[in-house]
Amino acid sequence: DTAVSQTPKYLVTQMGNDKSIKCEQNLGHDTMYWYKQDSKKFLKIMFSYNNKELIINETVPNRFSPKSPDKAHLNLHINSLELGDSAVYFCASSQVLASEKLFFGSGTQLSVL
Amino acid sequence: TQLLEQSPQFLSIQEGENLTVYCNSSSVFSSLQWYRQEPGEGPVLLVTVVTGGEVKKLKRLTFQFGDARKDSSLHITAAQPGDTGLYLCAGAGSGGSNYKLTFGKGTLLTVNP
Repeated sequence: DTAVSQTPKYLVTQMGNDKSIKCEQNLGHDTMYWYKQDSKKFLKIMFSYNNKELIINETVPNRFSPKSPDKAHLNLHINSLELGDSAVYFCASSQVLASEKLFFGSGTQLSVL
Repeated sequence: TQLLEQSPQFLSIQEGENLTVYCNSSSVFSSLQWYRQEPGEGPVLLVTVVTGGEVKKLKRLTFQFGDARKDSSLHITAAQPGDTGLYLCAGAGSGGSNYKLTFGKGTLLTVNP
């Protein structure tokens, strides 16, 4: 079984559309994250949730809205997609909030046309 | 903001050669991690170093944490094509920034058969 799974793997959409990416972890971890990896492979944190509570909210446009219905799921909804949103988005989890050991999903490649 | 600089950015070598990748910062980290990311996948944790001067070995990979906990290196002996990938270092800060990792921009390693 995949530890951290995210869907879809690929997402191609038009500018202005709204889209969601789903993430689930079956590791029993308390903390989940969303990271964005740009075309130069730079990985930057966007959000983290601990037991469904928002802990980290980096400087991310408010068009991005994470939602955690339970501690095993962290979804990312993006409104009014822009060209600059094109990137690979990774979901990750860790056992506890301050744990450095992250388990990453395989990523969602978002292309905004 | 804590920054991690990785060098070199790109490295292409022949099978059997040795190599070293560097990760440097002006900031002190409570721990530092190395991840490897293969195409189309998320980063996978290789090692965590915590103590200044610490050396850890993982088969042909040797990881070192600087005495001042500001830098780290990854040395690969007798590289193999299976070592090909993007190597990322990530630092966990002290105090409040323990909740997130700061990633370097990565070293893309290609080992040619």
